Amino acid sequence: DSGVTQTPKHLITATGQRVTLRCSPRSGDLSVYWYQQSLDQGLQFLIQYYNGEERAKGNILERFSAQQFPDLHSELNLSSLELGDSALYFCASSVVAGNTEAFFGQGTRLTVV
Amino acid sequence: DQQVKQNSPSLSVQEGRISILNCDYTNSMFDYFLWYKKYPAEGPTFLISISSIKDKNEDGRFTVFLNKSAKHLSLHIVPSQPGDSAVYFCAANGQGAQKLVFGQGTRLTINP
Repeated sequence: DSGVTQTPKHLITATGQRVTLRCSPRSGDLSVYWYQQSLDQGLQFLIQYYNGEERAKGNILERFSAQQFPDLHSELNLSSLELGDSALYFCASSVVAGNTEAFFGQGTRLTVV
Repeated sequence: DQQVKQNSPSLSVQEGRISILNCDYTNSMFDYFLWYKKYPAEGPTFLISISSIKDKNEDGRFTVFLNKSAKHLSLHIVPSQPGDSAVYFCAANGQGAQKLVFGQGTRLTINP
């Protein structure tokens, strides 16, 4: 158990819909990262927050947004969903931003039908 | 632009032998490197890391080697065990960078 909690574990939704993925970081971790893993692909960095502020942005679509709340949990919002958005979405957390290992949650498997 | 590359999608090794997983990177600003292991339906798990000030780091059966001039790192697992069968991701981070950049992963299968 990494200490990072992601909900829900599975999500099936229709094209055009909007979903929210939730992440609770490990206790004491200030930094939260979101990654996307499509079928047989590597982990693509989406976005990172540190203590409530956006710190880095990767290949995140404009239809996607995220935020980190004062209690440090984070949400990833995906809207106008397309079939190609079907993927595993991982949240990770670390104590600080930068040169340190990040601990991953079990992921949310999103299926868009 | 794939800054971290794992050129072998899969690797098959006999139980008890050495497994060597390779990773190349292109960004010379990277100075911290990590290996993660991932089982199906689970999140990646941190395995071992190495800072650019070192060329080797060992933790039990796992050793990571870093060759900065070649921009290459490798993970050695000795001896390989069936439980090591998983996908292994190489990741890198650089000074001031806020994110880990991951390779595509290598699926390691340990045969009995």
